[in-house]
Amino acid sequence: SAVISQKPSRDICQRGTSLTIQCQVDSQVTMMFWYRQQPGQSLTLIATANQGSEATYESGFVIDKFPISRPNLTFSTLTVSNMSPEDSSIYLCSVERVSSTEAFFGQGTRLTVV
Amino acid sequence: DAKTTQPNSMESNEEEPVHLPCNHSTISGTDYIHWYRQLPSQGPEYVIHGLTSNVNNRMASLAIAEDRKSSTLILHRATLRDAAVYYCILRDGGTSYGKLTFGQGTILTVHP
Repeated sequence: SAVISQKPSRDICQRGTSLTIQCQVDSQVTMMFWYRQQPGQSLTLIATANQGSEATYESGFVIDKFPISRPNLTFSTLTVSNMSPEDSSIYLCSVERVSSTEAFFGQGTRLTVV
Repeated sequence: DAKTTQPNSMESNEEEPVHLPCNHSTISGTDYIHWYRQLPSQGPEYVIHGLTSNVNNRMASLAIAEDRKSSTLILHRATLRDAAVYYCILRDGGTSYGKLTFGQGTILTVHP
């Protein structure tokens, strides 16, 4: 298994500002991902966080808006830049090992932009 | 990714069995059927997965149709804690580590 800690758990931010969300895993993992869950909706994959290289973004998500870092095998950050009310969502970190068939999720960061 | 179709919602009474259906008529031969659930205010958690044969674990059972075009997640005795959104997801066995394509899922309500 993997225990994932996300910080902050929630935040209320002013439009035009940026927020950095941290994801810490209790053991080394191969794959780390960031998802967004808009109010009342399902989860959508934002990007794959690659260790030591640029993240791989899904269609509709760009690096300038959602810069991601992954300096090692247990830690990643997602920044939501130049926020607008449309960015109000839950952002979730997910991890998986190549040898495993099970993905683990953090509790999520509930972001409200006012 | 092949798509899945699930009912929007289902209801059950506590301590009764629950059968959650999922249709995946375009499933490919290498797609595994995965189930995750999301409890209120939590991230999703893994429930079970299978390829062709029925599977059992401590949380649930997964019944897979012979043609693999549908499957059913079975909770043998629902508890209030099983109230959640249940997602049926197809994952290619060889290439799609970690990347999960979530549909809308089934909202399960459990009545005391």
